Formats: sequence, C-alpha cells, structure tokens
Amino acid sequence: NAGVTQTPKFRILKIGQSMTLQCTQDMNHNYMYWYRQDPGMGLKLIYYSVGAGITDKGEVPNGYNVSRSTTEDFPLRLELAAPSQTSVYFCASGDRAYNTEAFFGQGTRLTVV
Amino acid sequence: AQTVTQSQPEMSVQEAETVTLSCTYDTSESNYYLFWYKQPPSRQMILVIRQEAYKQQNATENRFSVNFQKAAKSFSLKISDSQLGDTAMYFCAFMKHGAGNTPLVFGKGTRLSVIA
Repeated sequence: NAGVTQTPKFRILKIGQSMTLQCTQDMNHNYMYWYRQDPGMGLKLIYYSVGAGITDKGEVPNGYNVSRSTTEDFPLRLELAAPSQTSVYFCASGDRAYNTEAFFGQGTRLTVV
Repeated sequence: AQTVTQSQPEMSVQEAETVTLSCTYDTSESNYYLFWYKQPPSRQMILVIRQEAYKQQNATENRFSVNFQKAAKSFSLKISDSQLGDTAMYFCAFMKHGAGNTPLVFGKGTRLSVIA
C-alpha cells in the first residue's frame, strides 16, 4: 500500500532557484492538500484541490503554485526560492465522501540557502 | 475562520503514567470533526483518534481517549500507560463537516517526552 508518496525527501536550493515537489496518491482520493510545517508553528495550508482541474489557495499561498491535471498527482511548484520557504512540506489526501481522515506523505525537508 | 489552540508547547511524563494534552478551538459551526495526530521523529503524521462533534460519547482507541466538551470547545487527549514510543509531537486538528472545501486546521502542537 503506497498511500501518499512525496519526492524528494530532502532538498537544498539556492536563493532564486525553482523546483517542483511531487505528490502522488493511489487511493483515488478527490481531496489533496499541501501544508508547510515550520518549527513551533504547526501545519499551515498552502493550497488544496477538491478534484482534477480544481485548485484553491490556502492560508499561505504566496511563492507557490499548484496544478491538478489528474486525480493522482498534485505537484507543488516553488518559483524563485527564498529563505522564508525553508520548511518541511507535507502533502495529504482524503475522500470526504466516505472517510474524514487525511492521509499524509512523509514530508519533504527543503532548505533554501 | 476556525482556530485551534494548544497551550502546552512541551510536556513530559514518566513511563507507565497517564498524561493529558489540552486543545481548545473556536468555531461557529455546529457540526465538525476533531482529530489528534501524532508526529514521531520519523516525521510521519499518524492519526491517533477522531471525534465527531454530533456524538456525545468520547472516542477511545486503546490507550488513547479524549475528553470532548462541546460547549466549552475543548478536546483533550489522555494517554494512559505511557510508553517510550509515545514520544512525539501531537497536533490537535479541526475540520468542518459537510460539503465544501474545508481542509484540516491544526494547532501548533505539543511535544511529549516519555521518560523511562
């Protein structure tokens, strides 16, 4: 059971570089989410999607972009990386129609230097 | 907007003892879900327990139980017979029930250390 798979697990970026964090789920969930976790701050929602072709901003969307072309994939794009984007990023999915639990990937630790 | 508050940044407990983690939330909704997630050093987010607001009975999962006080908007987690493997960050989370886009809202977490 793969569940929610995030790649990469670790990454170091230089200021101004761009990258895409990949997220794939094999549970046929409609809902997918991106959170960032900063020390002592809990998890904050960046973007979310309720189905293929539909995305919406969360609490902290600036500096990020997402797309949802398929049910399975929900990549998060960082353009012009900044030190403030140093964080741990979590992707999650859920099927609100049947189960309220959100399933999380193992996270990506990103450092921008 | 909903908010979740965990007022204990860190706690410790002796192995085999009982510990209670506090959580309060603010919402105008009447129907919602509350969760406790555990995050061990591995970083994986693991669902510990879930409570539906319309249920008066407190949820229980083995050594984990909650004290849900809807009127007070309080949702504490009790861990009985604490084990070393319970050492982790614990997050309280809220989700509105029903149709619509209502992702989980998290508190800032409580770091629990179980001491041998």
